[in-house]
Amino acid sequence: SFVVAQPPSVSVAPGQTATLTCGGDNIETKSVNWYQQRPGQPPVLVMFDDKDRPSGIPERISGSNSANTATLTISRVEAGDEADYYCQVWDSTSDHVVFGGGTTLTVL
Amino acid sequence: QVQLVQPETEVKRPGASVKVSCKASGYTFTSFGIYWVRQAPGRGLEWMGWINTDNGNTKYSQNFQGRVTINRDTFASTAFLELSNLKSEDTAVYFCARVGDPYLLLYADVWGQGTRVTVSS
Repeated sequence: SFVVAQPPSVSVAPGQTATLTCGGDNIETKSVNWYQQRPGQPPVLVMFDDKDRPSGIPERISGSNSANTATLTISRVEAGDEADYYCQVWDSTSDHVVFGGGTTLTVL
Repeated sequence: QVQLVQPETEVKRPGASVKVSCKASGYTFTSFGIYWVRQAPGRGLEWMGWINTDNGNTKYSQNFQGRVTINRDTFASTAFLELSNLKSEDTAVYFCARVGDPYLLLYADVWGQGTRVTVSS
């Protein structure tokens, strides 16, 4: 089935920009969704259909998807952005939902 | 408000089955699908399956084929996950999540708080 790869960790200083990636073969043909999960909490949807923000998600969080990489960009990073981030797609071949392994964002 | 309510904990013996409930409120239950997703301690999210709450159709991850059953009670606005022949590796938090369409496997926009299932002798 379709495999999506995320780097295990990303570190960024407050106020800087965090770039979280989700790689997969020709992933641009799929809709990518992103979830934020803080410790001990359920995931929260922060981006859907590549670049659409749910209500309540700040504009400094944006998404894109091109070629073999989908990207979640968090501008002006704050301490509260520290969390695990998961990308998710639907694989039409297997008709299964696939999650990436997750990226831990650390705010230095 | 829209919410999914799950029991907090379940403790089971190896070889037993567990049935986890997910009660929806604040929206029309049959207008959105439900995912079940689990997370083992210190691990990532793992998709287990999906149910079309309108017609009851289901899809299951091949990783659980034969051990997992998802169904729903539309009158009670509740979805259920049943996992059989439990092993210690099934110890995890089990989440239900509302899917943005009843027929398509899209994003999950509302999540339950999770049920912690412990499998131990």
